[in-house]
Amino acid sequence: GAVVSQHPSRVICKSGTSVKIECRSLDFQATTMFWYRQFPKKSLMLMATSNEGSKATYEQGVEKDKFLINHASLTLSTLTVTSAHPEDSSFYICSGQGEVNTEAFFGQGTRLTVV
Amino acid sequence: AQTVTQSQPEMSVQEAETVTLSCTYDTSENNYYLFWYKQPPSRQMILVIRQEAYKQQNATENRFSVNFQKAAKSFSLKISDSQLGDTAMYFCAFVRTGANSKLTFGKGITLSVRP
Repeated sequence: GAVVSQHPSRVICKSGTSVKIECRSLDFQATTMFWYRQFPKKSLMLMATSNEGSKATYEQGVEKDKFLINHASLTLSTLTVTSAHPEDSSFYICSGQGEVNTEAFFGQGTRLTVV
Repeated sequence: AQTVTQSQPEMSVQEAETVTLSCTYDTSENNYYLFWYKQPPSRQMILVIRQEAYKQQNATENRFSVNFQKAAKSFSLKISDSQLGDTAMYFCAFVRTGANSKLTFGKGITLSVRP
C-alpha cells in the first residue's frame, strides 16, 4: 500500500510552546488528510479533515485556533499544537486519502508529551 | 450517520488456535467499504483486510478472513492459526464510497495471544 511518513515520532515540549507535526504522502497524492488523536487503549478520535488548498474542517469540540492544520500541497499536511498544555499530551495520527481511492493510509503516529 | 460497534473490549486466544472478533455497524448507505485494522504496541495502524459492500464473497488474506453479513450488518474477523505477533488492538471501520469520506471506527478490541 501507499506510504504516509509522519514526523516526529516522539516529541517533548514545554508548556506554552508550540509543536509541529508533519505528514507526507511519499508515493501518492493525498487530496484529503485526516488528523486523529488517540488516548491509551482507546479508539481513534477524528480531530479534523483537511483538503489540499482549503481550510480544514474541524470536528465538534476541537479548537481550531489551538490545533492549526495546514495542507498546502498534495504531499504535505501539518498539525501545529499551539500554546501546548499537559492535557494536550497524547498520540496523534494522520492518514492520507487519494482522490480516486477511498482507502486511507496511516502515518506512524506522534507521541506528544507536554511538561 | 454511521456507527460501528465492537462490543468485546478484550479477548485472549491460545497460540495456533482460531479466534473470531465481532463487529456490527449501522448505515443507510448502499455503497461502502469495511475494514479491519490492527494496531500493535508500536501503534502503527496496519490494514488487515478490506471488504467492498457490493461483493458477496467474503474477503480473505492468508490467515485472516471475514464473515460479512450485509443484511445483518455484521462484519466479523476470523484469525486462524493465531501467532504471538497477532497480539494487538483491532479496530473495525466503515467508510462510504467516494473521496473525502472519513472512516468511522469501532472502540476496538484488545487481543492477546498466549504462548
